[in-house]
Amino acid sequence: AQRVTQPEKLLSVFKGAPVELKCNYSYSGSPELFWYVQYSRQRLQLLLRHISRESIKGFTADLNKGETSFHLKKPFAQEEDSAMYYCALSEGAQKLVFGQGTRLTINP
Amino acid sequence: DTGVSQDPRHKITKRGQNVTFRCDPISEHNRLYWYRQTLGQGPEFLTYFQNEAQLEKSRLLSDRFSAERPKGSFSTLEIQRTEQGDSAMYLCASRASGAYNEQFFGPGTRLTVL
Repeated sequence: AQRVTQPEKLLSVFKGAPVELKCNYSYSGSPELFWYVQYSRQRLQLLLRHISRESIKGFTADLNKGETSFHLKKPFAQEEDSAMYYCALSEGAQKLVFGQGTRLTINP
Repeated sequence: DTGVSQDPRHKITKRGQNVTFRCDPISEHNRLYWYRQTLGQGPEFLTYFQNEAQLEKSRLLSDRFSAERPKGSFSTLEIQRTEQGDSAMYLCASRASGAYNEQFFGPGTRLTVL
């Protein structure tokens, strides 16, 4: 069965410090991996997907098929990065399977 | 606002009552998804439509739950004989057809069953 694991429910770092949000998945095929973000009082929105291989708001994520991981990284955290982050996978055009989420807090 | 909209935003009901939620997707999106999110968890898939056809249902969707998308536009999710365990945020998302298209989420309907 498809599964996404985010081992940290809470993560707190200081402004300017590096950030890494962990995501591991289990899936036998070739999944598409995503990071979604939910800022306070806003709806869930896509941050980035592994297919795009791009950096969004300074965040990057590399799909490591050997370790079945898709960790989200940013070299220098900013206060506006404080939010709830969800890792998700999808096969083709179908449903998304989400992890439980990590609440990231950036301290000034 | 041209995004996904959901109505109502909040619903408080008593156990045993029926409730119905509505989702209006982005107009050109033919795919529509319902998810449920409980406190401290990520969203969980409930069901999925392509146009008016319901193509997949999660085992989470018990026989008290029914979803429709009669004309391939808006969708409704009905819960009959609500239970306290149904209390959750119900999210709707839509996307266009084609590979790698993003799912756009609505603001959700928060259901509280007393």
